[in-house]
Amino acid sequence: GAGVSQSPRYKVAKRGQDVALRCDPISGHVSLFWYQQALGQGPEFLTYFQNEAQLDKSGLPSDRFFAERPEGSVSTLKIQRTQQEDSAVYLCASSLPQGWEYQETQYFGPGTRLLVL
Amino acid sequence: AQTVTQSQPEMSVQEAETVTLSCTYDTSESDYYLFWYKQPPSGQMILVIRQEAYKQQNATENRFSVNFQKAAKSFSLKISDSQLGDAAMYFCAYRSAPGGTSYGKLTFGQGTILTVHP
Repeated sequence: GAGVSQSPRYKVAKRGQDVALRCDPISGHVSLFWYQQALGQGPEFLTYFQNEAQLDKSGLPSDRFFAERPEGSVSTLKIQRTQQEDSAVYLCASSLPQGWEYQETQYFGPGTRLLVL
Repeated sequence: AQTVTQSQPEMSVQEAETVTLSCTYDTSESDYYLFWYKQPPSGQMILVIRQEAYKQQNATENRFSVNFQKAAKSFSLKISDSQLGDAAMYFCAYRSAPGGTSYGKLTFGQGTILTVHP
């Protein structure tokens, strides 16, 4: 497809379960970003990849959160031992490589809505 | 660290009228990018307009324009001829330029809910 895709769109987990959220960036976009958006709030940065390298993971809230992008395209955000406070929308975005026109613009996927019961 | 503030939690406008959404930011950097994104109830974050800080000319995209005041660190969005489809949550966002302290991530404001009345 032409845009960023995310799956699943909705996920309900019981507290303590592990979850994995997937992001497929726009073809050719080497930079990939994850954000967490609580209800009624602005998105908060979690982590950033350039190709397969994780350049910034300063926003990951705890060591229960882990992200990977092993082949530089699809990325997975994993949350271990989910807690109720992890309930949020998880947004993925991608952008063109540095040096390209509009490289600073991030294009977002539809998000995964996670509810932890 | 950079911060972005949207002081208007909610705004409303009549269809076909003009509305301005406010955004201020705090940074010590001289080069950066600013964005307005729109998020309708579907949840999709859609780019509305972008501005490079080194450009003095205000960006425009059809009915959307910005008033970028670099010295005042202000970046407001004007929507002209408002349409029902403009109803959404609007977010202002900041991104450092390459070499900046937080290059990569977007820092978002808290958002402004825009209601358009027919």
